[in-house]
Amino acid sequence: EVQLVESGGALVQPGGSLRLSCAASGFTFSSYWMSWVRQAPGKGLEWVANTKQDGSEKYYVDSVKGRFTISRDNAKNSLYLQMNSLRVEDTAVYYCARGARGSDYWGQGTLVTVSS
Amino acid sequence: DVVMTQSPLSLPVTLGQPASISCRSSQSLVHSDGNTYLNWFQQRPGQSPRRLIYKVSNRDSGVPDRFSGSGSGTDFTLKISRVEAEDVTVYYCIQDTHWPYTFGQGTKLEIK
Repeated sequence: EVQLVESGGALVQPGGSLRLSCAASGFTFSSYWMSWVRQAPGKGLEWVANTKQDGSEKYYVDSVKGRFTISRDNAKNSLYLQMNSLRVEDTAVYYCARGARGSDYWGQGTLVTVSS
Repeated sequence: DVVMTQSPLSLPVTLGQPASISCRSSQSLVHSDGNTYLNWFQQRPGQSPRRLIYKVSNRDSGVPDRFSGSGSGTDFTLKISRVEAEDVTVYYCIQDTHWPYTFGQGTKLEIK
């Protein structure tokens, strides 16, 4: 069974940093692109970033470019999102997703709240 | 970025009756590889989104056959042949042809 378990969400002040993690199991992690998608409270969805199987290609939505970094450790079956210079508008549930184009499984999400 | 426009945003439904959601894109979703990457997700309250349909009309494993997807180019539709109580929730279309991938605003089904 495919499982994606996010962690690391917290309350952080504007300008602060946070690192999200996603532990994957039930599939061959190193064979898949992986992604982060977010959903602001009561709002719609935004695809944040994705990374190729070996980490050699990474793509970011403009709103996070230069502030967020997606990375992965295939030996640990883990995906990460380093978030710096956080803004109030980054407040959202962050989902880890298997795949990029054609993503099929999402985790339950972790809440990031940016507030003073 | 490709703008995805869903309609209606709220859809009153009667259990046992059909329902239909439209999704239009601001540009063609036909990829250079010939595929059209338009998907439909369902999101129940407090849960993460679940994919129902991929590449316009392919149902995911375990998805009831009352759900169907159709369309081409810039105009797409999700249909539920007979709405059941468990279907009354929020649906999103998403295009992953062009980066950044973008979502529709969501359509909320409500009991009439």
